[in-house]
Amino acid sequence: QVQLQESGPGLVKPSGTLSLTCVVSGDSVNNNYWWNWIRQPPGQGLEWIGEISQTTVYTPSLNSRVAISLDKSKNQFSLNLTSVTAADTAIYYCARKTKGDSRSVDSWGQGALVTVSS
Amino acid sequence: DIQLTQSPSFLSASVGDRVTITCRASQGISTYLAWYQQKPGKAPKLLIFAASTLQSGVPSRFSGSGSGTEFTLTISSLQPEDFATYSCLQLNSYPLTFGGGTKVEIK
Repeated sequence: QVQLQESGPGLVKPSGTLSLTCVVSGDSVNNNYWWNWIRQPPGQGLEWIGEISQTTVYTPSLNSRVAISLDKSKNQFSLNLTSVTAADTAIYYCARKTKGDSRSVDSWGQGALVTVSS
Repeated sequence: DIQLTQSPSFLSASVGDRVTITCRASQGISTYLAWYQQKPGKAPKLLIFAASTLQSGVPSRFSGSGSGTEFTLTISSLQPEDFATYSCLQLNSYPLTFGGGTKVEIK
């Protein structure tokens, strides 16, 4: 069974860069999935950030600030979000999305709280 | 972007009640819809995918239906462990979008 685990700083200064890594175990990032980042501000709903497989796709509202990369040698993928503000404070989840007509986001990490504050 | 509107945003129910949550899409999404359950401090858990397919290991009291723009999640007999927040997700087109969530609380 696949497991995903986020890691990274829990506190980022305004205008800085948020960087998180998701280590995947029990599956290979080389396999035919999309690897996703999704966030949830405290007490609010879920927001999709973007995903990576052979290519990357980002939500338009973050497109100018976000980058997702894949490290096949370490079986992990990463999120970089630049020029952060307090509005980027959230729990960040990494997740796996299946492909095909029955696609879904079927496996999630436990989440990492990132606070943007000076 | 495709907007997903969930209703109600909050509901109060008793153990044993039948509960129905609706998710409406701003444009047709075929059956590219999934439902999630989320408890405080936990990651979302997949319940239903492809609008009506039960994820492995999920109790059969959960069911999903719909296509196009209107979808429902039904819990046939609410159990104590079902008190949580439920969200829908559309996977028809980018950007993926979530509904605002429905919080199910104990009456």
